[in-house]
Amino acid sequence: GAGVSQTPSNKVTEKGKYVELRCDPISGHTALYWYRQSLGQGPEFLIYFQGTGAADDSGLPNDRFFAVRPEGSVSTLKIQRTERGDSAVYLCASRDDPSNTEAFFGQGTRLTVV
Amino acid sequence: SQELEQSPQSLIVQEGKNLTINCTSSKTLYGLYWYKQKYGEGLIFLMMLQKGGEEKSHEKITAKLDEKKQQSSLHITASQPSHAGIYLCGADTGGTSYGKLTFGQGTILTVHP
Repeated sequence: GAGVSQTPSNKVTEKGKYVELRCDPISGHTALYWYRQSLGQGPEFLIYFQGTGAADDSGLPNDRFFAVRPEGSVSTLKIQRTERGDSAVYLCASRDDPSNTEAFFGQGTRLTVV
Repeated sequence: SQELEQSPQSLIVQEGKNLTINCTSSKTLYGLYWYKQKYGEGLIFLMMLQKGGEEKSHEKITAKLDEKKQQSSLHITASQPSHAGIYLCGADTGGTSYGKLTFGQGTILTVHP
């Protein structure tokens, strides 16, 4: 596709449920990043993939959060036993090389845990 | 860890006015990115600065990085309603070429016609 695509655009789930958020990066981009943005705040880094491997997962808040990128393209962010505090916009970005200047962001998935 | 402070937190201007948004870092910046975000949308890349004293312009927006590489400013000349949105500065955490960014809290810009 022309840009980074994230699905779904909105997700409402009940507390305690499991959710998966999908990111389809720009074709050929090797670097992929997940960020989380709470209301009124800037995005916060969660995890970075270079190819299929998670090069840096230092931003994942706890072990309920997990992300994969099995074939080096599409990535899925998985959240187990969701809590109300997980409600935020989850943003995905990709770059064709981690040292390149511009990261392209998707439109985000707005997750609401009720 | 790197922290970025943006000022002001919000700004309301009349169309046609000039404005400046500042971004101050607690550490030397290896790379400073400016993005614009509209509600419910992703981030749109504006400019990236790397060298001390560097200045870049695109249309009516100019971004500068000071010589010490700890402060950046974004200046909009003759603002238009289309400039409204949230402006975010993001810093490359440096040390590696991860490209992982630390963001400021954002500046909400409103432009009245």
